[in-house]
Amino acid sequence: ILNVEQSPQSLHVQEGDSTNFTCSFPSSNFYALHWYRWETAKSPEALFVMTLNGDEKKKGRISATLNTKEGYSYLYIKGSQPEDSATYLCAFTSNAGGTSYGKLTFGQGTILTVHP
Amino acid sequence: AAGVIQSPRHLIKEKRETATLKCYPIPRHDTVYWYQQGPGQDPQFLISFYEKMQSDKGSIPDRFSAQQFSDYHSELNMSSLELGDSALYFCASSRGDRYYEQYFGPGTRLTVT
Repeated sequence: ILNVEQSPQSLHVQEGDSTNFTCSFPSSNFYALHWYRWETAKSPEALFVMTLNGDEKKKGRISATLNTKEGYSYLYIKGSQPEDSATYLCAFTSNAGGTSYGKLTFGQGTILTVHP
Repeated sequence: AAGVIQSPRHLIKEKRETATLKCYPIPRHDTVYWYQQGPGQDPQFLISFYEKMQSDKGSIPDRFSAQQFSDYHSELNMSSLELGDSALYFCASSRGDRYYEQYFGPGTRLTVT
């Protein structure tokens, strides 16, 4: 059984604050780590896919890092805005057995609320 | 840009009825994944198809079946519905050579009463 854990479960910040969340995942049979941003009633939006230890990706004010040896990833949001309010999901793809068909194992998400 | 289309967006069924959910992948995507997210739960992988063949299977009940058609759209058929089947059902699609880049539809909210 693969366990993907995210913390915190929810977070309230003020506009302009910077924030970060954690995703922990199994360090064995790693293939890829995904971050999605999900607003209610909309499709989860892919933010990053990371495959290499030490990967750092950035998209505007949002960035992510990956440590596959210890099994964690951080998502950072700099200068949070109210429109950043959403659920942030991380998901893990395994290559157990040497193959991966892309199945995602999700964490429970971090619900971010940014107050004006 | 075209996105993944799911229909219907909302569905209300009674216990023991049958439901069919449809997923239309992004053009030129040949791989479809189905996920189920129950209330307060993580999305759980159900089943996936690549080039119209089942490629992987997760915790999908025997009462559920799915297939991918020649135009790459997929249908999830759910029979003998139970209250516990009430959930948000997501479909995602990808290209077979880039299956780690999955694009999600908005989901179908199934309510079983």
